[in-house]
Parts: sequence; structure tokens; C-alpha cells
Amino acid sequence: DTAVSQTPKYLVTQMGNDKSIKCEQNLGHDTMYWYKQDSKKFLKIMFSYNNKELIINETVPNRFSPKSPDKAHLNLHINSLELGDSAVYFCASSPRDGGETQYFGPGTRLLVL
Amino acid sequence: AQSVTQPDIHITVSEGASLELRCNYSYGATPYLFWYVQSPGQGLQLLLKYFSGDTLVQGIKGFEAEFKRSQSSFNLRKPSVHWSDAAEYFCAVSPPGGADGLTFGKGTHLIIQP
Repeated sequence: DTAVSQTPKYLVTQMGNDKSIKCEQNLGHDTMYWYKQDSKKFLKIMFSYNNKELIINETVPNRFSPKSPDKAHLNLHINSLELGDSAVYFCASSPRDGGETQYFGPGTRLLVL
Repeated sequence: AQSVTQPDIHITVSEGASLELRCNYSYGATPYLFWYVQSPGQGLQLLLKYFSGDTLVQGIKGFEAEFKRSQSSFNLRKPSVHWSDAAEYFCAVSPPGGADGLTFGKGTHLIIQP
């Protein structure tokens, strides 16, 4: 069974559209994260959720909004997509916040045209 | 703010040769330290981690890393590389007990020559 899964794996869309990426973990972890990997492969934390509560929110445009319907899911909604949003988005989870090993999903490759 | 430096963007090693990937961090105290590997088109897989205790840690796939507090380093090593080790390697840190997620280095791209 896949521990951390993301859908879709690939997402191609036009500028200005609104899209969502879904993430699910079956590890029973308390904390989930979203990371963005840019074209130079640099990984940066975007959000983390602990027991459905937002813990951190880095300098991410408010067009990005994480939504956690329950402890096992953390979805990423992106409004008014821009060219610069093209990247690979990774979901991750850990047993609790801070310092624990994070387990990553396979990534979602987003291309904005 | 914490930061991670991986000074080598690319490294080329012959198959069977030894490997060392460098990682230096900047943080007020000793953070938790991680090495992840990313194969082309894949997600990130944890190779090993250091939280406390023995400064030489063993990981998967024959990798090991040594934490050196005096040098703020956590270098990754492997005695003999295989062609399948070709990938992107990321060093990462997080504050112990904090909630800030992982701070990653910019990665080192490992190329294996036959």
C-alpha cells in the first residue's frame, strides 16, 4: 500500500484557472506538509497541518490554500494560476510536528501554459 | 534562520569508487539532520537521519553519514557506488521539536561513470 499518495501525478492547465491537488496518507500521522520544488530542483516548505490546524504558512501567495478535511488528507487549492506556479508539488507527512522523519509522496508535476 | 549548504552542484564518480557528498548547516543549536535521495521523476526517499547519540549513522543502500558539530557538517558517504545510485541527493535540517518543516539544501546531482 502506498503510504503517501497524490493525485493527479501530472497537471497541465492554462493561466488563470483554478486547480486542486489531493494528498492522502495512510500512516496515521498527525502532521502533513506541502513542498514546492522549482525548475532548479530547490525544495521549499509551503504549509504544514497538524491535526487539521495550520501550523506554518511561509511566504506563499494567498492564491494557494491548503484544506484538510481530516487528519489523513491535505489538499492544495490554487486559484488564478500563474506561469510561475509551474513546479513539482510534494506532499509529506510525519508522526508529529517538528523534527520527525517526513515521508514524501511521489509529487504532482504542474505545468501552467 | 536555519540554512543548508551543499557546495557541490554536480559530482561525477566512477562505478565502484567511493563517494562523499558534503553538507553544512547553519543553526543556533544542533538540528535534526537528514539525507534524502530523489531518482529522476520520483519522490524523495529517506536515506538516513541524525537526531542524537552516535555521530556516525548508517542508512539504507549502504550509505552512512557523519555528524561533526565543530564543523556544522553532515557529510554523506558510500564506499562503493553503483550505477543505480545516480540521482539527486538532498541534505535537510529541522529544528528539534519545532514545527517549521524541513529546510533543504539545493541538492547535489550524482553522475556515475561506467
